[in-house]
Amino acid sequence: EPEVTQTPSHQVTQMGQEVILRCVPISNHLYFYWYRQILGQKVEFLVSFYNNEISEKSEIFDDQFSVERPDGSNFTLKIRSTKLEDSAMYFCASSGGGAHEQFFGPGTRLTVL
Amino acid sequence: DAKTTQPTSMDCAEGRAANLPCNHSTISGNEYVYWYRQIHSQGPQYIIHGLKNNETNEMASLIITEDRKSSTLILPHATLRDTAVYYCIVRGTLRRSGNTPLVFGKGTRLSVIA
Repeated sequence: EPEVTQTPSHQVTQMGQEVILRCVPISNHLYFYWYRQILGQKVEFLVSFYNNEISEKSEIFDDQFSVERPDGSNFTLKIRSTKLEDSAMYFCASSGGGAHEQFFGPGTRLTVL
Repeated sequence: DAKTTQPTSMDCAEGRAANLPCNHSTISGNEYVYWYRQIHSQGPQYIIHGLKNNETNEMASLIITEDRKSSTLILPHATLRDTAVYYCIVRGTLRRSGNTPLVFGKGTRLSVIA
Protein backbone atom coordinates (compact mmCIF):
# COMPACT_ATOMS: atom_id res chain seq x y z
CA GLU A 1 0.00 0.00 0.00
CA PRO A 2 1.42 3.41 -0.93
CA GLU A 3 2.46 5.61 1.96
CA VAL A 4 3.96 8.99 2.74
CA THR A 5 7.55 8.80 3.93
CA GLN A 6 9.57 11.38 5.84
CA THR A 7 13.25 11.84 6.59
CA PRO A 8 14.93 12.13 8.96
CA SER A 9 12.86 10.57 11.72
CA HIS A 10 14.66 12.73 14.29
CA GLN A 11 16.64 15.93 13.74
CA VAL A 12 18.58 17.72 16.44
CA THR A 13 19.86 21.20 15.70
CA GLN A 14 21.23 24.27 17.39
CA MET A 15 19.14 27.42 17.67
CA GLY A 16 19.68 29.67 14.68
CA GLN A 17 20.61 26.84 12.31
CA GLU A 18 18.72 26.00 9.15
CA VAL A 19 16.95 22.67 8.82
CA ILE A 20 15.31 20.95 5.90
CA LEU A 21 12.70 18.31 6.51
CA ARG A 22 11.97 15.97 3.64
CA CYS A 23 8.85 14.17 2.55
CA VAL A 24 7.98 11.85 -0.30
CA PRO A 25 4.21 12.06 -0.86
CA ILE A 26 2.13 9.32 -2.42
CA SER A 27 3.03 9.28 -6.08
CA ASN A 28 -0.25 10.20 -7.80
CA HIS A 29 -1.31 12.80 -5.24
CA LEU A 30 -1.53 16.44 -6.21
CA TYR A 31 -1.93 18.25 -2.88
CA PHE A 32 0.69 18.44 -0.18
CA TYR A 33 0.65 19.70 3.38
CA TRP A 34 2.81 20.28 6.39
CA TYR A 35 1.46 20.12 9.94
CA ARG A 36 3.23 20.27 13.26
CA GLN A 37 2.50 19.07 16.77
CA ILE A 38 4.27 20.51 19.77
CA LEU A 39 4.57 17.92 22.53
CA GLY A 40 1.26 17.51 24.33
CA GLN A 41 -0.59 19.92 22.05
CA LYS A 42 -2.90 19.72 19.06
CA VAL A 43 -1.86 18.99 15.50
CA GLU A 44 -1.60 22.36 13.75
CA PHE A 45 -1.75 23.15 10.05
CA LEU A 46 1.24 24.99 8.60
CA VAL A 47 0.91 25.12 4.83
CA SER A 48 -0.68 23.52 1.80
CA PHE A 49 0.85 23.30 -1.66
CA TYR A 50 -0.64 22.64 -5.07
CA ASN A 51 0.53 23.15 -8.63
CA ASN A 52 3.95 24.33 -7.47
CA GLU A 53 2.70 27.08 -5.26
CA ILE A 54 1.43 27.65 -1.76
CA SER A 55 -2.36 27.41 -1.61
CA GLU A 56 -2.86 28.34 2.00
CA LYS A 57 -0.73 28.99 5.06
CA SER A 58 -1.39 29.52 8.73
CA GLU A 59 -0.12 32.29 11.00
CA ILE A 60 2.60 29.93 12.19
CA PHE A 61 4.10 29.76 8.70
CA ASP A 62 6.05 33.01 8.81
CA ASP A 63 9.05 34.19 6.79
CA GLN A 64 11.31 31.69 8.53
CA PHE A 65 9.48 28.83 6.81
CA SER A 66 9.48 27.86 3.17
CA VAL A 67 8.36 24.86 1.14
CA GLU A 68 9.55 23.46 -2.11
CA ARG A 69 8.91 20.61 -4.47
CA PRO A 70 12.36 20.41 -6.03
CA ASP A 71 11.61 17.41 -8.23
CA GLY A 72 8.74 15.10 -9.07
CA SER A 73 8.84 13.22 -5.82
CA ASN A 74 10.15 15.25 -2.88
CA PHE A 75 8.38 17.92 -0.86
CA THR A 76 10.50 19.84 1.61
CA LEU A 77 9.97 22.18 4.54
CA LYS A 78 12.80 24.54 5.36
CA ILE A 79 13.15 26.48 8.58
CA ARG A 80 15.69 29.21 7.97
CA SER A 81 16.79 30.05 11.51
CA THR A 82 15.39 27.66 14.08
CA LYS A 83 14.09 28.79 17.45
CA LEU A 84 13.58 26.77 20.60
CA GLU A 85 9.82 26.95 20.06
CA ASP A 86 10.17 25.20 16.69
CA SER A 87 10.79 21.95 18.56
CA ALA A 88 7.91 19.71 17.53
CA MET A 89 6.84 16.74 15.43
CA TYR A 90 6.44 17.79 11.83
CA PHE A 91 4.04 15.78 9.71
CA CYS A 92 3.80 15.79 5.95
CA ALA A 93 0.55 14.78 4.28
CA SER A 94 -0.72 14.36 0.74
CA SER A 95 -4.10 13.92 -0.89
CA GLY A 96 -5.78 13.53 -4.22
CA GLY A 97 -7.80 16.69 -3.67
CA GLY A 98 -11.49 17.51 -3.21
CA ALA A 99 -13.07 15.36 -0.53
CA HIS A 100 -10.20 12.93 -0.73
CA GLU A 101 -8.62 11.97 2.54
CA GLN A 102 -5.18 13.21 3.51
CA PHE A 103 -2.55 10.59 4.24
CA PHE A 104 0.06 11.46 6.80
CA GLY A 105 3.67 10.45 7.09
CA PRO A 106 5.25 9.15 10.31
CA GLY A 107 6.68 12.55 11.17
CA THR A 108 10.06 14.11 11.88
CA ARG A 109 10.83 14.98 15.47
CA LEU A 110 12.73 18.28 15.47
CA THR A 111 14.62 19.20 18.60
CA VAL A 112 16.15 22.68 18.78
CA LEU A 113 18.76 23.14 21.49
CA ASP B 1 -15.09 25.03 9.03
CA ALA B 2 -17.61 24.03 11.68
CA LYS B 3 -16.48 23.39 15.22
CA THR B 4 -16.75 19.91 16.73
CA THR B 5 -17.24 18.75 20.31
CA GLN B 6 -16.00 15.39 21.55
CA PRO B 7 -15.67 13.81 25.00
CA THR B 8 -12.18 14.11 26.40
CA SER B 9 -11.78 10.41 27.08
CA MET B 10 -13.54 7.06 26.91
CA ASP B 11 -12.83 3.49 27.94
CA CYS B 12 -13.87 0.38 26.07
CA ALA B 13 -13.46 -3.30 26.90
CA GLU B 14 -11.46 -5.30 24.40
CA GLY B 15 -13.71 -7.10 21.93
CA ARG B 16 -16.63 -4.78 22.51
CA ALA B 17 -17.83 -2.07 20.16
CA ALA B 18 -16.41 1.40 20.77
CA ASN B 19 -18.88 4.18 20.00
CA LEU B 20 -17.27 7.61 19.80
CA PRO B 21 -19.68 10.55 19.58
CA CYS B 22 -19.12 13.92 17.96
CA ASN B 23 -21.29 17.02 17.89
CA HIS B 24 -21.06 19.40 14.94
CA SER B 25 -24.23 21.43 15.22
CA THR B 26 -23.00 24.26 12.97
CA ILE B 27 -22.06 22.01 10.05
CA SER B 28 -23.04 23.39 6.66
CA GLY B 29 -24.32 21.55 3.63
CA ASN B 30 -21.01 21.19 1.80
CA GLU B 31 -18.96 20.07 4.80
CA TYR B 32 -17.86 16.50 5.30
CA VAL B 33 -17.27 14.71 8.59
CA TYR B 34 -13.84 13.07 8.81
CA TRP B 35 -12.43 10.81 11.48
CA TYR B 36 -8.72 10.38 12.08
CA ARG B 37 -6.82 8.78 14.90
CA GLN B 38 -3.35 9.23 16.33
CA ILE B 39 -1.62 6.41 18.08
CA HIS B 40 0.94 7.81 20.52
CA SER B 41 3.13 10.25 18.54
CA GLN B 42 2.61 8.66 15.14
CA GLY B 43 1.17 10.55 12.18
CA PRO B 44 -2.63 10.91 12.16
CA GLN B 45 -4.29 7.99 10.43
CA TYR B 46 -7.37 8.42 8.26
CA ILE B 47 -10.29 6.24 9.32
CA ILE B 48 -13.42 7.24 7.43
CA HIS B 49 -15.43 10.20 6.16
CA GLY B 50 -18.98 10.94 5.08
CA LEU B 51 -21.32 13.67 3.96
CA LYS B 52 -24.89 12.55 4.62
CA ASN B 53 -25.15 8.80 4.43
CA ASN B 54 -23.76 6.28 6.84
CA GLU B 55 -20.46 4.82 5.73
CA THR B 56 -18.60 1.61 6.49
CA ASN B 57 -15.13 0.43 5.63
CA GLU B 58 -12.74 -2.21 6.90
CA MET B 59 -11.82 -0.11 9.92
CA ALA B 60 -15.04 1.42 11.16
CA SER B 61 -18.58 2.62 10.57
CA LEU B 62 -19.72 6.23 10.56
CA ILE B 63 -23.27 7.03 11.54
CA ILE B 64 -24.42 10.57 10.72
CA THR B 65 -27.74 11.80 12.10
CA GLU B 66 -30.37 12.93 9.65
CA ASP B 67 -29.94 16.59 10.60
CA ARG B 68 -26.14 16.12 10.30
CA LYS B 69 -25.57 17.84 13.62
CA SER B 70 -23.84 14.85 15.17
CA SER B 71 -22.15 11.62 14.24
CA THR B 72 -20.80 8.46 15.84
CA LEU B 73 -17.73 6.50 14.91
CA ILE B 74 -18.10 2.80 15.64
CA LEU B 75 -15.19 0.43 15.98
CA PRO B 76 -17.09 -2.87 15.95
CA HIS B 77 -14.62 -5.04 17.88
CA ALA B 78 -12.08 -2.87 19.67
CA THR B 79 -8.60 -4.26 20.25
CA LEU B 80 -5.75 -2.99 22.40
CA ARG B 81 -4.17 -1.56 19.24
CA ASP B 82 -7.16 0.76 18.84
CA THR B 83 -6.04 2.72 21.89
CA ALA B 84 -5.46 6.20 20.45
CA VAL B 85 -6.74 9.77 20.27
CA TYR B 86 -9.66 9.97 17.84
CA TYR B 87 -10.37 13.21 16.05
CA CYS B 88 -13.68 14.21 14.51
CA ILE B 89 -13.09 16.95 11.92
CA VAL B 90 -15.58 18.85 9.83
CA ARG B 91 -14.08 20.02 6.57
CA GLY B 92 -15.43 21.82 3.60
CA THR B 93 -13.86 21.24 0.23
CA LEU B 94 -15.29 23.97 -1.94
CA ARG B 95 -12.27 26.22 -2.17
CA ARG B 96 -10.56 27.30 -5.34
CA SER B 97 -7.88 24.70 -5.18
CA GLY B 98 -9.98 22.16 -3.29
CA ASN B 99 -7.27 21.27 -0.82
CA THR B 100 -8.62 22.53 2.46
CA PRO B 101 -6.48 21.81 5.51
CA LEU B 102 -7.65 19.69 8.43
CA VAL B 103 -8.30 21.51 11.69
CA PHE B 104 -7.59 19.20 14.60
CA GLY B 105 -9.17 19.64 18.01
CA LYS B 106 -8.18 17.79 21.15
CA GLY B 107 -10.09 14.64 20.19
CA THR B 108 -11.22 11.75 22.37
CA ARG B 109 -8.62 9.60 24.05
CA LEU B 110 -9.93 6.05 23.72
CA SER B 111 -8.44 3.47 26.05
CA VAL B 112 -9.19 -0.14 25.19
CA ILE B 113 -8.91 -2.28 28.28
CA ALA B 114 -8.14 -6.00 28.36
